Amino acid sequence: DTAVSQTPKYLVTQMGNDKSIKCEQNLGHDTMYWYKQDSKKFLKIMFSYNNKELIINETVPNRFSPKSPDKAHLNLHINSLELGDSAVYFCASSHLLYRDRANVLTFGAGSRLTVL
Amino acid sequence: DQQVKQNSPSLSVQEGRISILNCDYTNSMFDYFLWYKKYPAEGPTFLISISSIKDKNEDGRFTVFLNKSAKHLSLHIVPSQPGDSAVYFCAAKGGFKTIFGAGTRLFVKA
Repeated sequence: DTAVSQTPKYLVTQMGNDKSIKCEQNLGHDTMYWYKQDSKKFLKIMFSYNNKELIINETVPNRFSPKSPDKAHLNLHINSLELGDSAVYFCASSHLLYRDRANVLTFGAGSRLTVL
Repeated sequence: DQQVKQNSPSLSVQEGRISILNCDYTNSMFDYFLWYKKYPAEGPTFLISISSIKDKNEDGRFTVFLNKSAKHLSLHIVPSQPGDSAVYFCAAKGGFKTIFGAGTRLFVKA
């Protein structure tokens, strides 16, 4: 019974296409995230939603659009895919963010996107 | 702008010995530091954390040390086991963001 599940696990597509990655968590968490792990292996935060409200929006091309229909789901839609979008995208969730707490993230297994 | 740096891409240790993974950071406003462990084809999983007001936190075989003046933290694994072979990510939380390093791949040889 997966806590944070992402689909698809692998995605191979052509430049210029539009694709979506879906994420769902069954942990009852209030906050969800998208991280990108590029070829240099850094995990870079892209977006964060808290109870369907966007609270973190890093410097990400506006071809990337997150959508949170409810607090258990956070999807990532990417328009006009480029070669540089090839990466592993990780969804994560956590309890409500507090400034004075550790804020432990629970990650999904990742979605590997390859743009040809 | 890498605020969290793990300068060793990999580390190899004999089973039973100590593994020491290092991490440096640049932002003195981080309030928590965390270590995550990642196996291939899985997402990172939380291992241990430390508040910025502490200098040590221990959980079983895992201990994290924080040196705020040097902006440096380390994860000690004693004794190391083959199942500890994985990528270890150092992370730092500031406000609502958690920033990760690039990871260190640990090999524990039997």
